[in-house]
Amino acid sequence: EVQLVQSGAEVKKPGESLKISCQGSGYSFSDYWIAWVRQMPGKGLEWMGIIYLRDSDIRYSPSFRGRVTISADKSISTAYLQWSSLKASDTAIYYCARLVDIVATPEIDYWGQGTQVTVSP
Amino acid sequence: QTVVTQEPSLTVSPGGTVTLTCAASTGAVTRAYYPNWFQQKPGQPPRALIYSATNRHSWTPERFSASLLGGKAALTVSFVQPEDEADYYCLLYYNGARVFGGGTKLTVL
Repeated sequence: EVQLVQSGAEVKKPGESLKISCQGSGYSFSDYWIAWVRQMPGKGLEWMGIIYLRDSDIRYSPSFRGRVTISADKSISTAYLQWSSLKASDTAIYYCARLVDIVATPEIDYWGQGTQVTVSP
Repeated sequence: QTVVTQEPSLTVSPGGTVTLTCAASTGAVTRAYYPNWFQQKPGQPPRALIYSATNRHSWTPERFSASLLGGKAALTVSFVQPEDEADYYCLLYYNGARVFGGGTKLTVL
């Protein structure tokens, strides 16, 4: 069974750093892509970026480039999303999702359960 | 960056049929945009319904179908069930980038 298990909820202060994780199981982790998606309170989904686990090719959405860092450790089947200096506006649920080449370009099939990040003074 | 537009809200009666659409600011949505559709219920992560414009995932009920219609991607829900009440998001791939639509809140009433 394919599973993406994300790290637990975080409460941080503005200016602090944070790294959240997404561990895949039930499939060959390196053969797929992992995406990160933000959902701010009461709002829609926003594409943040994507990493190909085989060669760590990373592509950021222009809206998030420079604000977050996506990385992965293939040895433990885990992808990461990190901030060096959080802002209150980073308060959101962050989802990871697996992408697979079904037809001709990677497309999402499975999602993680989400990680709630709260940034408050 | 491409702006992707969906109806903010739609209402349908149980047993009825409803079509949600997904438009791109760059022009007509084609198969080259690889439209994906997702369903999200309150307090839950999204769930993938459709990939590559028209293909259901193995877990997607057959009452969900998708197409390209009038220059937009479209998701049609037939024989709507109360449990279909949810937010629906499309995702388009364009020029190496991926962008979500703003989502459609589907109410079953």
